Amino acid sequence: DQQVKQNSPSLSVQEGRISILNCDYTNSMFDYFLWYKKYPAEGPTFLISISSIKDKNEDGRFTVFLNKSAKHLSLHIVPSQPGDSAVYFCAASAKAGNNRKLIWGLGTSLAVNP
Amino acid sequence: NAGVMQNPRHLVRRRGQEARLRCSPMKGHSHVYWYRQLPEEGLKFMVYLQKENIIDESGMPKERFSAEFPKEGPSILRIQQVVRGDSAAYFCASSPLPPKETQYFGPGTRLLVL
Repeated sequence: DQQVKQNSPSLSVQEGRISILNCDYTNSMFDYFLWYKKYPAEGPTFLISISSIKDKNEDGRFTVFLNKSAKHLSLHIVPSQPGDSAVYFCAASAKAGNNRKLIWGLGTSLAVNP
Repeated sequence: NAGVMQNPRHLVRRRGQEARLRCSPMKGHSHVYWYRQLPEEGLKFMVYLQKENIIDESGMPKERFSAEFPKEGPSILRIQQVVRGDSAAYFCASSPLPPKETQYFGPGTRLLVL
C-alpha cells in the first residue's frame, strides 16, 4: 500500500518554464514533508521541506505547496533549468514513538529541455 | 551527499557469497538509515540504527540480511548468500538527532549479483 504517491513517473518541461511535480499521501498522521533530488549514480540530495503547520515554503527557485485537506503537495521550480533534470522524490514523515520514519514516493523523472 | 561515505561504490558477487556494505555517517550524526532501490523502483526503507542499537528493522528481509552500527566504526549492512534479486543500489543516510526529519544520503553502493 503506497502511502506516498507520485503519479507521474516522468515530466518534460522547456527551459525557463515552470515545472510542477505532484505528490499525494494517504496518512493524515504525516506532519512533515520533504523533496529530494537524485541524479543518476548519486544518492538523493535534500531539496526543500515543509511542516504541516504551513501551506507554503519557498527557497529560491523552489517552492513547495501543501494542501492538507486534499492530502496533496507540489513542488514548483521556476524558472526550470537543464541542470534541474533529475529524479525528484517526495517523502513524508510521521512520529512513531520517539522516532520518525520517512515514507517515500516512487519518484518523478524531470527532463528540462534547452 | 554532504559527508556520508559509503564503500564500496560498486560490488560484484556471485550467488551464494556474502556482501558487506559499509556506511560512515556525517560527523556528529549518530543515526543511520539504510535504503534499497531496486531497478525501476523507488527508495525502500530497510533499517534504522543508532549506535549499538537497532531502532526499526521493519523493512529488512527476514532472512540473510542484517545490520549493525557499532560504537566504533562504520555501520555495516550484511547480506549472506546473495541471490540475483539482491542486485540493487543500497543507500545509507544519516541524521543528527531524531525526530529531526532531514536525512543526508551517501552516494550508494551498487550491488550486482552474478
